[in-house]
Amino acid sequence: DAGVIQSPRHEVTEMGQEVTLRCKPISGHDYLFWYRQTMMRGLELLIYFNNNVPIDDSGMPEDRFSAKMPNASFSTLKIQPSEPRDSAVYFCASSFWTSGKYEQYFGPGTRLTVT
Amino acid sequence: RKEVEQDPGPFNVPEGATVAFNCTYSNSASQSFFWYRQDCRKEPKLLMSVYSSGNEDGRFTAQLNRASQYISLLIRDSKLSDSATYLCVVRVSGGYQKVTFGIGTKLQVIP
Repeated sequence: DAGVIQSPRHEVTEMGQEVTLRCKPISGHDYLFWYRQTMMRGLELLIYFNNNVPIDDSGMPEDRFSAKMPNASFSTLKIQPSEPRDSAVYFCASSFWTSGKYEQYFGPGTRLTVT
Repeated sequence: RKEVEQDPGPFNVPEGATVAFNCTYSNSASQSFFWYRQDCRKEPKLLMSVYSSGNEDGRFTAQLNRASQYISLLIRDSKLSDSATYLCVVRVSGGYQKVTFGIGTKLQVIP
Protein backbone atom coordinates (compact mmCIF):
# COMPACT_ATOMS: atom_id res chain seq x y z
CA ASP A 1 0.00 0.00 0.00
CA ALA A 2 1.26 3.48 -0.86
CA GLY A 3 0.19 4.96 2.45
CA VAL A 4 -1.49 8.32 2.84
CA ILE A 5 -0.54 10.67 0.04
CA GLN A 6 -0.47 14.42 0.42
CA SER A 7 0.24 17.17 -2.07
CA PRO A 8 1.94 19.50 -2.37
CA ARG A 9 4.75 18.68 0.06
CA HIS A 10 5.76 22.32 0.29
CA GLU A 11 3.77 25.43 -0.43
CA VAL A 12 4.95 29.02 -0.25
CA THR A 13 2.35 31.66 -0.91
CA GLU A 14 1.66 35.30 -0.26
CA MET A 15 -0.84 36.57 2.24
CA GLY A 16 -4.30 36.78 0.76
CA GLN A 17 -3.87 33.95 -1.70
CA GLU A 18 -5.97 30.79 -1.74
CA VAL A 19 -4.24 27.59 -0.71
CA THR A 20 -5.54 24.08 -1.41
CA LEU A 21 -4.03 21.04 0.25
CA ARG A 22 -4.83 17.57 -1.02
CA CYS A 23 -4.98 14.15 0.57
CA LYS A 24 -5.52 10.60 -0.63
CA PRO A 25 -6.21 8.24 2.31
CA ILE A 26 -5.27 4.59 2.46
CA SER A 27 -7.69 2.51 0.44
CA GLY A 28 -10.38 0.97 2.63
CA HIS A 29 -9.97 3.38 5.50
CA ASP A 30 -13.21 5.01 6.60
CA TYR A 31 -11.87 7.86 8.72
CA LEU A 32 -9.91 10.84 7.50
CA PHE A 33 -8.37 13.53 9.69
CA TRP A 34 -6.79 16.90 9.02
CA TYR A 35 -4.26 18.18 11.57
CA ARG A 36 -2.10 21.27 11.87
CA GLN A 37 1.24 21.20 13.68
CA THR A 38 3.20 24.17 15.00
CA MET A 39 6.00 24.40 17.53
CA MET A 40 3.88 26.41 19.93
CA ARG A 41 0.63 24.46 19.79
CA GLY A 42 1.73 20.99 18.73
CA LEU A 43 -0.58 18.79 16.70
CA GLU A 44 -4.15 20.10 16.54
CA LEU A 45 -7.12 18.32 15.01
CA LEU A 46 -8.90 20.57 12.54
CA ILE A 47 -11.64 18.31 11.20
CA TYR A 48 -12.38 14.65 10.64
CA PHE A 49 -14.63 12.66 8.35
CA ASN A 50 -16.28 9.26 8.63
CA ASN A 51 -17.36 7.67 5.36
CA ASN A 52 -16.88 11.05 3.64
CA VAL A 53 -19.16 12.87 6.09
CA PRO A 54 -17.70 15.59 8.33
CA ILE A 55 -18.15 14.52 11.94
CA ASP A 56 -16.40 17.24 13.92
CA ASP A 57 -15.08 20.52 12.57
CA SER A 58 -14.77 22.27 15.91
CA GLY A 59 -11.02 22.57 15.42
CA MET A 60 -11.28 24.60 12.23
CA PRO A 61 -9.84 27.98 13.23
CA GLU A 62 -12.25 30.21 11.38
CA ASP A 63 -14.33 30.64 8.25
CA ARG A 64 -11.23 31.01 6.13
CA PHE A 65 -10.72 27.27 6.47
CA SER A 66 -12.88 24.71 4.70
CA ALA A 67 -12.54 20.99 4.03
CA LYS A 68 -14.29 18.61 1.70
CA MET A 69 -14.28 14.91 1.03
CA PRO A 70 -16.16 14.32 -2.23
CA ASN A 71 -15.35 10.59 -2.26
CA ALA A 72 -13.59 7.91 -0.26
CA SER A 73 -10.24 8.48 -1.94
CA PHE A 74 -9.83 12.24 -1.89
CA SER A 75 -10.05 15.19 0.46
CA THR A 76 -9.07 18.85 0.31
CA LEU A 77 -8.34 21.50 2.90
CA LYS A 78 -8.68 25.03 1.61
CA ILE A 79 -7.55 28.29 3.17
CA GLN A 80 -8.93 31.46 1.65
CA PRO A 81 -7.55 34.04 2.18
CA SER A 82 -4.32 32.79 3.70
CA GLU A 83 -2.51 34.69 6.47
CA PRO A 84 1.05 34.43 7.85
CA ARG A 85 -0.27 32.82 11.07
CA ASP A 86 -1.49 29.88 8.96
CA SER A 87 2.13 28.87 8.40
CA ALA A 88 2.45 25.33 9.76
CA VAL A 89 2.74 21.71 8.73
CA TYR A 90 -0.62 20.26 7.76
CA PHE A 91 -1.02 16.51 8.12
CA CYS A 92 -3.71 14.27 6.76
CA ALA A 93 -4.28 10.92 8.47
CA SER A 94 -6.59 8.00 7.88
CA SER A 95 -7.74 5.02 9.90
CA PHE A 96 -9.99 2.02 9.81
CA TRP A 97 -12.13 1.51 12.85
CA THR A 98 -11.99 -2.08 13.96
CA SER A 99 -12.79 -3.03 17.49
CA GLY A 100 -10.01 -1.92 19.80
CA LYS A 101 -7.79 -0.61 17.06
CA TYR A 102 -7.52 3.12 16.58
CA GLU A 103 -4.20 3.56 14.86
CA GLN A 104 -4.02 6.58 12.60
CA TYR A 105 -1.72 6.55 9.59
CA PHE A 106 -0.28 9.93 8.72
CA GLY A 107 0.78 11.32 5.41
CA PRO A 108 4.13 13.09 5.03
CA GLY A 109 2.53 16.49 5.56
CA THR A 110 2.40 19.75 3.63
CA ARG A 111 4.72 22.46 4.91
CA LEU A 112 2.91 25.74 4.32
CA THR A 113 4.62 29.11 4.48
CA VAL A 114 2.55 32.25 4.07
CA THR A 115 4.59 35.43 3.59
CA ARG B 1 -5.83 23.07 31.68
CA LYS B 2 -4.74 21.21 28.55
CA GLU B 3 -6.42 17.89 27.80
CA VAL B 4 -3.07 16.16 27.47
CA GLU B 5 0.08 17.52 29.06
CA GLN B 6 3.67 16.53 28.47
CA ASP B 7 7.04 17.96 29.40
CA PRO B 8 8.41 19.10 26.03
CA GLY B 9 12.01 18.48 27.15
CA PRO B 10 14.46 18.08 25.60
CA PHE B 11 15.70 15.08 27.48
CA ASN B 12 19.38 14.55 26.69
CA VAL B 13 20.54 11.09 27.74
CA PRO B 14 23.66 9.03 27.03
CA GLU B 15 23.50 5.86 24.99
CA GLY B 16 22.52 2.90 27.11
CA ALA B 17 20.64 4.96 29.67
CA THR B 18 17.08 4.38 30.80
CA VAL B 19 14.69 7.26 30.34
CA ALA B 20 11.05 7.72 31.31
CA PHE B 21 8.41 10.15 30.12
CA ASN B 22 5.12 10.91 31.78
CA CYS B 23 1.94 12.32 30.34
CA THR B 24 -1.14 13.49 32.22
CA TYR B 25 -4.66 13.73 30.87
CA SER B 26 -7.57 15.73 32.23
CA ASN B 27 -10.65 13.86 31.04
CA SER B 28 -11.54 10.96 33.30
CA ALA B 29 -13.66 9.51 30.49
CA SER B 30 -10.53 8.85 28.47
CA GLN B 31 -10.56 5.31 27.27
CA SER B 32 -7.66 4.58 24.93
CA PHE B 33 -4.06 5.64 25.20
CA PHE B 34 -1.13 5.55 22.82
CA TRP B 35 2.42 6.66 22.31
CA TYR B 36 3.39 7.93 18.88
CA ARG B 37 6.90 8.67 17.70
CA GLN B 38 7.77 11.56 15.41
CA ASP B 39 11.17 11.91 13.82
CA CYS B 40 12.42 15.36 12.87
CA ARG B 41 10.46 16.74 9.91
CA LYS B 42 8.54 13.49 9.52
CA GLU B 43 5.02 12.35 10.24
CA PRO B 44 3.94 10.79 13.57
CA LYS B 45 3.81 6.99 13.68
CA LEU B 46 2.25 4.70 16.26
CA LEU B 47 4.85 3.36 18.68
CA MET B 48 2.57 1.40 20.97
CA SER B 49 -0.83 1.29 22.54
CA VAL B 50 -1.08 1.49 26.32
CA TYR B 51 -3.13 -1.14 28.10
CA SER B 52 -4.51 -1.04 31.61
CA SER B 53 -2.24 -3.83 32.76
CA GLY B 54 0.83 -2.21 31.24
CA ASN B 55 2.62 -3.58 28.23
CA GLU B 56 6.09 -4.08 26.91
CA ASP B 57 7.56 -4.12 23.43
CA GLY B 58 11.25 -4.89 23.47
CA ARG B 59 13.04 -2.04 25.22
CA PHE B 60 9.83 -0.03 25.54
CA THR B 61 7.38 -0.29 28.44
CA ALA B 62 4.13 1.65 28.68
CA GLN B 63 2.01 1.97 31.79
CA LEU B 64 -1.33 3.50 32.65
CA ASN B 65 -2.43 4.89 36.00
CA ARG B 66 -6.12 5.68 35.79
CA ALA B 67 -6.41 6.85 39.38
CA SER B 68 -3.82 9.56 38.85
CA GLN B 69 -4.68 10.02 35.18
CA TYR B 70 -1.27 9.59 33.70
CA ILE B 71 0.56 7.30 31.33
CA SER B 72 4.24 6.66 31.11
CA LEU B 73 6.79 5.41 28.61
CA LEU B 74 10.04 3.81 29.71
CA ILE B 75 12.89 3.26 27.29
CA ARG B 76 15.69 0.98 28.41
CA ASP B 77 19.17 0.78 26.91
CA SER B 78 18.66 3.92 24.81
CA LYS B 79 19.97 3.86 21.24
CA LEU B 80 20.95 6.78 19.07
CA SER B 81 18.06 5.81 16.82
CA ASP B 82 15.62 6.47 19.67
CA SER B 83 16.21 10.21 19.25
CA ALA B 84 12.81 11.60 18.31
CA THR B 85 9.77 13.32 19.77
CA TYR B 86 7.36 11.08 21.66
CA LEU B 87 3.72 12.09 21.52
CA CYS B 88 1.19 11.05 24.12
CA VAL B 89 -2.25 10.42 22.61
CA VAL B 90 -5.58 10.01 24.37
CA ARG B 91 -9.01 8.98 23.09
CA VAL B 92 -12.16 9.78 25.04
CA SER B 93 -14.82 7.07 25.12
CA GLY B 94 -17.37 7.09 22.39
CA GLY B 95 -17.96 5.59 19.01
CA TYR B 96 -15.59 7.79 17.09
CA GLN B 97 -11.88 7.91 16.57
CA LYS B 98 -11.14 11.45 17.65
CA VAL B 99 -7.94 11.61 19.67
CA THR B 100 -5.99 14.38 21.34
CA PHE B 101 -2.23 14.65 21.01
CA GLY B 102 0.12 16.02 23.61
CA ILE B 103 2.74 18.50 22.48
CA GLY B 104 5.39 15.81 22.61
CA THR B 105 8.58 15.17 24.56
CA LYS B 106 11.82 15.50 22.66
CA LEU B 107 14.48 12.88 23.34
CA GLN B 108 18.08 13.24 22.24
CA VAL B 109 20.33 10.23 22.82
CA ILE B 110 23.96 11.26 22.94
CA PRO B 111 26.90 9.00 21.96
